[in-house]
Amino acid sequence: EVQLVESGGGLVQPGGSLRLSCVVSEITLSNYWMNWVRQAPGKGLEWVANIKQDGSEKYYVDSVKGRFTISRDNAKNSLYLQMNSLRAEDTAVYYCARNRLSLDDWGQGTLVTVSS
Amino acid sequence: QSALTQPPSASGSPGQSVTISCTGTSSDVGDYNYVSWYQQHPGKAPKLMIYEVSKRPSGVPDRFSGSKSGNTASLTVSGLQAEDEADYYCSSYAARNNVAFGGGTKLTVL
Repeated sequence: EVQLVESGGGLVQPGGSLRLSCVVSEITLSNYWMNWVRQAPGKGLEWVANIKQDGSEKYYVDSVKGRFTISRDNAKNSLYLQMNSLRAEDTAVYYCARNRLSLDDWGQGTLVTVSS
Repeated sequence: QSALTQPPSASGSPGQSVTISCTGTSSDVGDYNYVSWYQQHPGKAPKLMIYEVSKRPSGVPDRFSGSKSGNTASLTVSGLQAEDEADYYCSSYAARNNVAFGGGTKLTVL
């Protein structure tokens, strides 16, 4: 069974930075596009970013462009999201999800809270 | 990067059928056969229920079905069961390699 485990969430002040990680097991990460999707408290899902198998293509939702960076280390079966210049509206549970045209498997999520 | 439009709520009695709509544009739902549907129970991660408009992943009951016409996709849940009560989200591949989600529909089993 595919497992995705996110970590790195927490409380951060506005303007601060945080790096999320997602470790994948039971699959070979290098075979798949990967995504970050977030869900603000009580709200719907919002796609944040995705990255091609070899890291050569990356795409972002407009609201995080220039602030967030998605990356991966296939040798470590890991996906990352570097979040800089965080804002209150970035507060959400962040999920990593496998694949591109449909999000086949999801992690349990990690909560990021941006507040002073 | 516009969100897809879903009704905020839907309901049905056990055994009945319910259909949830998902309206996009010619830049997402209307242009690609890559519509997915996700089920999310409170406090849990989303689960893929339908992909590529009408395909079911292994393990998803055949009570769940999907379709698309023009810019609108639909999820039908037949033979409603208590455990189907959850939030449902549609998504579509969109132009410039983006992914668009609907706002979600809360399905209540009466």
